[in-house]
Amino acid sequence: QLQLQESGPGLVKPSETLFLTCIVSGGSISSSSYYWGWIRQPPGKGLEWIGSFYYGGSTYYNPSLKSRVAISVDTSKNQVSLKLSSVTAADAALYYCARQVGWYSSSSGHAYYFDFWGQGALVTVSS
Amino acid sequence: DIVMTQSPDSLAVSLGERATINCKSSQSVLYSSNNKNYLAWYQQKPGQPPKLLISWASTRESGVPDRFSGSGSGTDFTLTISSLQAEDVAVYYCQQYYTTPPMYTFGQGTKLEIK
Repeated sequence: QLQLQESGPGLVKPSETLFLTCIVSGGSISSSSYYWGWIRQPPGKGLEWIGSFYYGGSTYYNPSLKSRVAISVDTSKNQVSLKLSSVTAADAALYYCARQVGWYSSSSGHAYYFDFWGQGALVTVSS
Repeated sequence: DIVMTQSPDSLAVSLGERATINCKSSQSVLYSSNNKNYLAWYQQKPGQPPKLLISWASTRESGVPDRFSGSGSGTDFTLTISSLQAEDVAVYYCQQYYTTPPMYTFGQGTKLEIK
């Protein structure tokens, strides 16, 4: 049974760097069948895609966050990590890790949607 | 970016009645090469992560009750709950996965309540 467990510091100071990890159990992040994505949700607001990682070597980021975001994986721990630098109050949110299923082909593009989500990690930004 | 706009923002429906949520994309999410609409619907109950209900605009996920259905093509889509149950109270989001390279965008959400 697939489980995604996000974890992180909870509280980050403005201008500092946020680090979050997502431990995947019941599935392998090395699978060629999936992407692994990060999505955030400010309190009481909607969903914003942050970025996605494919073990085959591709990483995609939301252009609005691209200069501050990095997603990496540790296959030995079966985990996906998110780094967000220079945080501000606008980065306070519930951060979700999610598996993406679908396919890619030159004729049909990157057809991946989010089929399973973790419970999320709440991040507060305050000095 | 493809902008997803849902209507209404909130909706109150009586138990057993039909609920309809609309989603409009700023450009078509229909891929001509395979005739598929790259659109998903999610349900988010209070205090829970989103749950995938429907992919490809109309394909219901395993375990999702058949009172949930998705329809539409191109830029206009609809999520219909045929007979509202109390457990369907949630916020519903549409999302496009058409863009290559990936730039996924969600609608702003529609809050569904019991009248």
